[in-house]
Amino acid sequence: AQTVTQSQPEMSVQEAETVTLSCTYDTSESDYYLFWYKQPPSRQMILVIRQEAYKQQNATENRFSVNFQKAAKSFSLKISDSQLGDAAMYFCAYRSANNDMRFGAGTRLTVKP
Amino acid sequence: DVKVTQSSRYLVKRTGEKVFLECVQDMDHENMFWYRQDPGLGLRLIYFSYDVKMKEKGDIPEGYSVSREKKERFSLILESASTNQTSMYLCASHRGGQATTNEKLFFGSGTQLSVL
Repeated sequence: AQTVTQSQPEMSVQEAETVTLSCTYDTSESDYYLFWYKQPPSRQMILVIRQEAYKQQNATENRFSVNFQKAAKSFSLKISDSQLGDAAMYFCAYRSANNDMRFGAGTRLTVKP
Repeated sequence: DVKVTQSSRYLVKRTGEKVFLECVQDMDHENMFWYRQDPGLGLRLIYFSYDVKMKEKGDIPEGYSVSREKKERFSLILESASTNQTSMYLCASHRGGQATTNEKLFFGSGTQLSVL
């Protein structure tokens, strides 16, 4: 089965600064999708951004962008102009072509005012 | 928007009890998933189902079984609950099909299960 590794259990960032969360994955598949989800204290999982493996262009969603390095199997999330509301657990996820989905261990992001 | 409902937000059970966790989605989704979430381990896939009566083991199926008799309902069963099954359990659903692989999962609010 595919594995997803998030090597940073905790990260902190100053409000308005930029932070990058790391994610690597292991797979032998060529067709797959990658996601970042956010889980605030409410426990609700919120999709932040997604990336199709066949696309070379990195996905962006407002202040959120990814650095997708397919050969290195790396999928990092960059949050620009960090806001207090960005504080949450962030999970990297991998979906294979048959739609099963695996998650990493998560990174807890703290935003300092 | 899609609604995924988990029957209980908090549940306390005794060791050895049979426990049912229910999950219902209202958008005719084909795929449904059960995860458990533990600090430092993230979300780990227990089972998933891609159709009625169909199921696939995830990464940690031991001690669990599932049932999907109707498309909208996916039940997680702990045949004999143990203390190491104390965890938060998240259900999720997805429309399914090759053309929808980039679509997000819809999650329930989670059930915090404590086994004493």
